Amino acid sequence: GDSVTQMEGPVTLSEEAFLTINCTYTATGYPSLFWYVQYPGEGLQLLLKATKADDKGSNKGFEATYRKETTSFHLEKGSVQVSDSAVYFCAPSSSGGSYIPTFGRGTSLIVHP
Amino acid sequence: EAGVAQSPRYKIIEKRQSVAFWCNPISGHATLYWYQQILGQGPKLLIQFQNNGVVDDSQLPKDRFSAERLKGVDSTLKIQPAKLEDSAVYLCASSFRSGGLQETQYFGPGTRLLVL
Repeated sequence: GDSVTQMEGPVTLSEEAFLTINCTYTATGYPSLFWYVQYPGEGLQLLLKATKADDKGSNKGFEATYRKETTSFHLEKGSVQVSDSAVYFCAPSSSGGSYIPTFGRGTSLIVHP
Repeated sequence: EAGVAQSPRYKIIEKRQSVAFWCNPISGHATLYWYQQILGQGPKLLIQFQNNGVVDDSQLPKDRFSAERLKGVDSTLKIQPAKLEDSAVYLCASSFRSGGLQETQYFGPGTRLLVL
């Protein structure tokens, strides 16, 4: 079945630092790739997505590029803010039959002033 | 647009008791999902409905868990009897169409269950 490997957290950064959260996956066929974010006390919400190779998903200053050759979908942001503190989940879909996302363990990001 | 609603938000029960969670998806969303998220892990899909039919329940522990979506709108997830290892957050999500590869899922706030 599908699997996801995310870098372990917590990732602790100062405000305005550069962020990278690595994500690699194994999936059957040609999955779509998603990053979800969970802010403290809130539910999961979609951050960005990419549906084909070399696509770049972006939202709120975050970016991730679908790299089929390396099966990776690393999340980046050039300058993090305290409000970005949250848990980030990488989630590829399966490509056979119904959509069944596989979530990684999540990476906790802590940004301090 | 109202989001996915879940209740209760928190529940504490003793092992071997029964518990039920309720979910109301976003209006017009055909597909509904229930996930279990154990502390420190990512959400794991338990069951997926499209309208009132089950699409996938391969990871649902059917000896104790059951779920229904009788009218194709809201859904109930039940655990009977509960075990200590069922302590988790139970998330409900919905998507607009048939749950295709590009579908975005919208999540509710979750129900946090503690089994003592």
